[in-house]
Amino acid sequence: AQSVSQHNHHVILSEAASLELGCNYSYGGTVNLFWYVQYPGQHLQLLLKYFSGDPLVKGIKGFEAEFIKSKFSFNLRKPSVQWSDTAEYFCAVNTRGNYQLIWGAGTKLIIKP
Amino acid sequence: EAGVTQSPTHLIKTRGQQATLRCSPISGHTSVYWYQQALGLGLQFLLWYDEGEERNRGNFPPRFSGRQFPNYSSELNVNALELEDSALYLCASTKIQGMNTEAFFGQGTRLTVV
Repeated sequence: AQSVSQHNHHVILSEAASLELGCNYSYGGTVNLFWYVQYPGQHLQLLLKYFSGDPLVKGIKGFEAEFIKSKFSFNLRKPSVQWSDTAEYFCAVNTRGNYQLIWGAGTKLIIKP
Repeated sequence: EAGVTQSPTHLIKTRGQQATLRCSPISGHTSVYWYQQALGLGLQFLLWYDEGEERNRGNFPPRFSGRQFPNYSSELNVNALELEDSALYLCASTKIQGMNTEAFFGQGTRLTVV
């Protein structure tokens, strides 16, 4: 069965630290990849997505993610985090022939001011 | 353009009762997904409706059910409520265009079972 793994359930960083959140999926075919963010008290919103083309995708608020097909990975990065990045981050995948999104368990990110 | 709307925003029920949650997708979106977000458990997929039909359901008991109406809005029904059903229930809608489907979420219904 297809699955998405997010390696870290909780991450605590200081402001200005660099961030990398891992996401791996298990599916050998063509995939679409997404990162969603849920700020405290707010609804889930799309951070960035990869459908095709350049595997390095830039999203909102300075986030980027790199699709590495050989590693089945789509890690989220930000060079310098801010306190306002405190949120829960979800990786999701859908596959050709199955439009349903498969979700990772989420990573809670806490940024210390 | 209006986003995904869910009602009610909060719902308090007692154990054994039934709860009905509602979702209106973005105009033009035909697919609706329901998720349960319990504390510390991430997003648990419940149900997926598209064009009025149930396409898939997650690993939840049959007392979780729903339907999608001709206008693509959707209802989630939870019968015989249990305390552990307390959670945030999220609805998302998509417009399937090949594979390029991006889900838009509502603000959720916070269900509390006492």
